[in-house]
Amino acid sequence: DAKTTQPTSMDCAEGRAANLPCNHSTISGNEYVYWYRQIHSQGPQYIIHGLKNNETNEMASLIITEDRKSSTLILPHATLRDTAVYYCIVRPNNAGNMLTFGGGTRLMVKP
Amino acid sequence: DTEVTQTPKHLVMGMTNKKSLKCEQHMGHRAMYWYKQKAKKPPELMFVYSYEKLSINESVPSRFSPECPNSSLLNLHLHALQPEDSALYLCASSQQGGLSYGYTFGSGTRLTVV
Repeated sequence: DAKTTQPTSMDCAEGRAANLPCNHSTISGNEYVYWYRQIHSQGPQYIIHGLKNNETNEMASLIITEDRKSSTLILPHATLRDTAVYYCIVRPNNAGNMLTFGGGTRLMVKP
Repeated sequence: DTEVTQTPKHLVMGMTNKKSLKCEQHMGHRAMYWYKQKAKKPPELMFVYSYEKLSINESVPSRFSPECPNSSLLNLHLHALQPEDSALYLCASSQQGGLSYGYTFGSGTRLTVV
């Protein structure tokens, strides 16, 4: 699976958009970008995924650059409950039964 | 039911004890997983079960013994653990084939070995 690089930590003001970057310069053509988050003392939770096109759901938006070497997860109106560690994962959608987590970004939403 | 339930939520055990962690799901998922997570670190995969058979063991010490008695249950038997085994143990399940958006995690068992 392609390696991802994320900032260790970020702060965001409550009510503002949180933009979390992820670099995946070695991504292959069949690899998707997935985002999970882990709120303190809970298990990881799926947020969104995409291949080439930008994606949006009720939780977030995913912007993937045209060369697919990087992406940004956008939480449009961050709340205190969005404080969590956000993991960017790159892998094929049919890659057997393994989901491997990297270091992630610790997002702190502040009042 | 769209949840993975793990019991107990907290466990303190001595190094000579034998204990078991339990995980249950009723989503019809045929793949189940154990992850270990140390403080401020990402989850690390330990075991994968596919159709009730062990398919991946990430070189986990034998003091951790997984068991999948049926398609809804996953156990992790613990024996002769060390203090460094203290961690959050997470269970997850997914459809067979492991579509990455389909992983559902439990809230974990926080294990302390004394």
